Amino acid sequence: QQQVKQSPQSLIVQKGGISIINCAYENTAFDYFPWYQQFPGKGPALLIAIRPDVSEKKEGRFTISFNKSAKQFSLHIMDSQPGDSATYFCAASMASGTYKYIFGTGTRLKVLA
Amino acid sequence: GAVVSQHPSWVICKSGTSVKIECRSLDFQATTMFWYRQFPKQSLMLMATSNEGSKATYEQGVEKDKFLINHASLTLSTLTVTSAHPEDSSFYICSASLPGGNEETQYFGPGTRLLVL
Repeated sequence: QQQVKQSPQSLIVQKGGISIINCAYENTAFDYFPWYQQFPGKGPALLIAIRPDVSEKKEGRFTISFNKSAKQFSLHIMDSQPGDSATYFCAASMASGTYKYIFGTGTRLKVLA
Repeated sequence: GAVVSQHPSWVICKSGTSVKIECRSLDFQATTMFWYRQFPKQSLMLMATSNEGSKATYEQGVEKDKFLINHASLTLSTLTVTSAHPEDSSFYICSASLPGGNEETQYFGPGTRLLVL
């Protein structure tokens, strides 16, 4: 019940295309869902985050869509660029307690020039 | 703002030695820091949650005596890998949460790659 399932494992997109990464969770106590971008050999960097009271959040080319009833959320990268090639992780946490994250398994995105 | 640093970025050591990794919040005081371990092409695995002035809370399966965590100040947490062995070789990453605001957000350090020979 503590798992966050992420798909696909890898994704290849043409430059200018839309990259879509999906995550699903079981524990309804999760109430904070961030997405992180990680380049090889670097630490993860926060991209965007959402709470369950919002169905969509957009920041620049990055959009999170959230479906509370389905317990799913997704990251959309619009106008994907070669510089977006990285590994993306979704995560979930609960407000009560220590705010520790449960991470998804990651998606390796490659954007072709 | 919300910058987290780690030192060293790379460390190579002989089997049986101990290695200390530092995690610092540079522009904020972090009451809570987290330590993760990441194997190649895998996700981040939480090892422990570190609170300033108190004992760290370790995740199930993480050896407390093997991975010593000290959160001595609001800007510094250290992870010491004691009697390191080749299987401890990994990428260790710390994070810190920003108090007083959106405490759920964790800011990650750049990571420390440990290679045990």
